[in-house]
Amino acid sequence: QQQVKQSPQSLIVQKGGIPIINCAYENTAFDYFPWYQQFPGKGPALLIAIRPDVSEKKEGRFTISFNKSAKQFSLHIMDSQPGDSATYFCAARSYNQGGKLIFGQGTELSVKP
Amino acid sequence: DARVTQTPRDKVTEMGQEVTMRCQPILGHNTVFWYRQTMMQGLELLAYFRNRAPLDDSGMPKDRFSAEMPDATLATLKIQPSEPRDSAVYFCASGIWVGANTGELFFGEGSRLTVL
Repeated sequence: QQQVKQSPQSLIVQKGGIPIINCAYENTAFDYFPWYQQFPGKGPALLIAIRPDVSEKKEGRFTISFNKSAKQFSLHIMDSQPGDSATYFCAARSYNQGGKLIFGQGTELSVKP
Repeated sequence: DARVTQTPRDKVTEMGQEVTMRCQPILGHNTVFWYRQTMMQGLELLAYFRNRAPLDDSGMPKDRFSAEMPDATLATLKIQPSEPRDSAVYFCASGIWVGANTGELFFGEGSRLTVL
């Protein structure tokens, strides 16, 4: 029940395309859903996050869509650029369950020029 | 520029040796996490501390791993004895836990461990 399932494992798009990465969870106590971006040799860094009281959040070219009833959320990257090539992790956390952040398996995104 | 500092960045050791990884969290952060990253398992939570007290270490192999926070500026993760299956990148992350609006986690650059 603590798991966060992420798909796809890898994704290749052309520059300007809109990659979509999906995540699903079971634990209804989760109340915070961040996305982290990781470049090779670096630690993950927070990209964007959403709480379950909203269905969408946009920051620049990055959008999270959240479906509470389906227990799913997704990351969309508009007008993707080669510099967006990285590994993306979704995560979830429950304030009432100690606040530990549980990560999905990661998606390796490659944006071709 | 506040950042989480991890040492060593790279460590190669032989099976059976003791390995200690260190983390300096961002000043003022009261929550510290240890994660392990492998291709197969992704980012696994090993242990975490709040206000230096261990909250959860259920992700750690208890017989060989130990995590401590001797003071607010230092967290350590020790493996004794190390095994080849411990080869991974170990990340430390810190954050501020203040009520429901708790902040983001900031990750260090990781310690890459290779056990031969």
